[in-house]
Amino acid sequence: EVQLVESGGGLIQPGGSLRLSCAASGFSVSSNYMSWVRQAPGKGLEWVSSIYSGGNIYYADSVQGQFTISRDNSKNILYLQMNSLRAEDTAVYYCATSPSRRHIDYWGQGTLVTVSS
Amino acid sequence: DIQMTQSPSSLSASVGDRVTIACRASQTISIYLNWYQHKPGKAPELLIYSASSLQSGVPSRFSGSGSGTDFTLTITSLQPEDSATYYCQQAYSTPFTFGPGTKVDIK
Repeated sequence: EVQLVESGGGLIQPGGSLRLSCAASGFSVSSNYMSWVRQAPGKGLEWVSSIYSGGNIYYADSVQGQFTISRDNSKNILYLQMNSLRAEDTAVYYCATSPSRRHIDYWGQGTLVTVSS
Repeated sequence: DIQMTQSPSSLSASVGDRVTIACRASQTISIYLNWYQHKPGKAPELLIYSASSLQSGVPSRFSGSGSGTDFTLTITSLQPEDSATYYCQQAYSTPFTFGPGTKVDIK
C-alpha cells in the first residue's frame, strides 16, 4: 500500500528556512514521479515542484531559486528545502506521487507551514 | 505558462442532479487534463486523468470529456458525499497549473 507522510511544517519567521520531509512506503521514490503541491488558506491548489524518476527537476515560477526539491533513495524520503520564506508561502504542503508524470495518484495528508512574525 | 479557468466557481445542486463543470486552458493541452476532488482537511483525490479516463475506485457517476482547450467534468447523479471542491489540472507542460476550483454544495 502506498503511503506518504509529511513532516517538518510549523511556524517560521519571515526570511527563515524550513525543510519538509515526506516519508514514502509501498514504492520507491527513485522510480516514481514525486511532487509537492500547496494550498494557501482559502485558496486553491498550487503545483510547487516535481522530481522525475530520471532526476529531472521542475519548479513553479513562484518558488524558483527559493525552494529545492530532492530525494534520498536509501531512506525513501522526498524533501523540500524552503529558504527566504515569505508570508505568501504560508500553506498546507502536500507530498504526492504517481508512476506517471501526467497525473497524481497518491497524496499525503499535508503539513502546515505558517510564515509569520 | 498555461492558464486554467473553471466555471462556475461554485454551484448548489440537489441529490440526484446532473452537474457539469467546465475547464478551459489558455492553449491546447491535447488530452493532458486531470480532475481532482478536494474535501476540507483531507488529501485531494484523482478522479479523472487524461481528460476521460476514470481513476480506479472512482464511482462511475463521474466522467470527463474534451480535448484541446475545452474540457468538462460531469457528475450524472449527485450524491451527498460529492460535496467538495473540484480542480482541473493541465499536465501538458510545466508548470502543471491547476484551475481555481469549483465548489459544489448539496442543497
